[in-house]
Amino acid sequence: AQSVSQHNHHVILSEAASLELGCNYSYGGTVNLFWYVQYPGQHLQLLLKYFSGDPLVKGIKGFEAEFIKSKFSFNLRKPSVQWSDTAEYFCAWRAQTLYSSASKIIFGSGTRLSIRP
Amino acid sequence: EPEVTQTPSHQVTQMGQEVILRCVPISNHLYFYWYRQILGQKVEFLVSFYNNEISEKSEIFDDQFSVERPDGSNFTLKIRSTKLEDSAMYFCASEGNNEQFFGPGTRLTVL
Repeated sequence: AQSVSQHNHHVILSEAASLELGCNYSYGGTVNLFWYVQYPGQHLQLLLKYFSGDPLVKGIKGFEAEFIKSKFSFNLRKPSVQWSDTAEYFCAWRAQTLYSSASKIIFGSGTRLSIRP
Repeated sequence: EPEVTQTPSHQVTQMGQEVILRCVPISNHLYFYWYRQILGQKVEFLVSFYNNEISEKSEIFDDQFSVERPDGSNFTLKIRSTKLEDSAMYFCASEGNNEQFFGPGTRLTVL
């Protein structure tokens, strides 16, 4: 079945700690990969995306993610978190199509990140 | 920066009533989506829409649900007879340049 697994349900870190959130997807074809963030009371925002090329992608706010095709993984990292990074983080993917069409995004269950000041 | 808007932000309704959730996608986008998120659960795909017709729908999107783009700007989701389990956050998204932009969501509460 097409799915996304996020390994951590809730992560608690202190400010300045390094962050890595795990994500694995299950799909045999070519995918587009995403990380979305949802700050408290706000809507989903795109942090970063991978379509092709360099498997290490950099996003907004100092986040980056690495696509490892052999492991079907797309882990999110940040070297030093801030209190303002407190949010829910969603890994997501969709099948890459060769033709123009609407293509749904499949989301993981999310990881709640709490940063202690 | 253009953004997707949704109204209302919160809708409370009685079980069995019809609700219409409204979305204004980003102009010049061609692909539109509805997703929902039940409290504490993940975001789930409901339906995609392109060229004035449904492209794909999930198992959740049964006969009680319908979508419409009535006037070239709004994109609506109608639930004909709401059930308690329809209570969720409903997100609209529109797509341009291979990226889906999400609206702020409508929180639907069915009593």
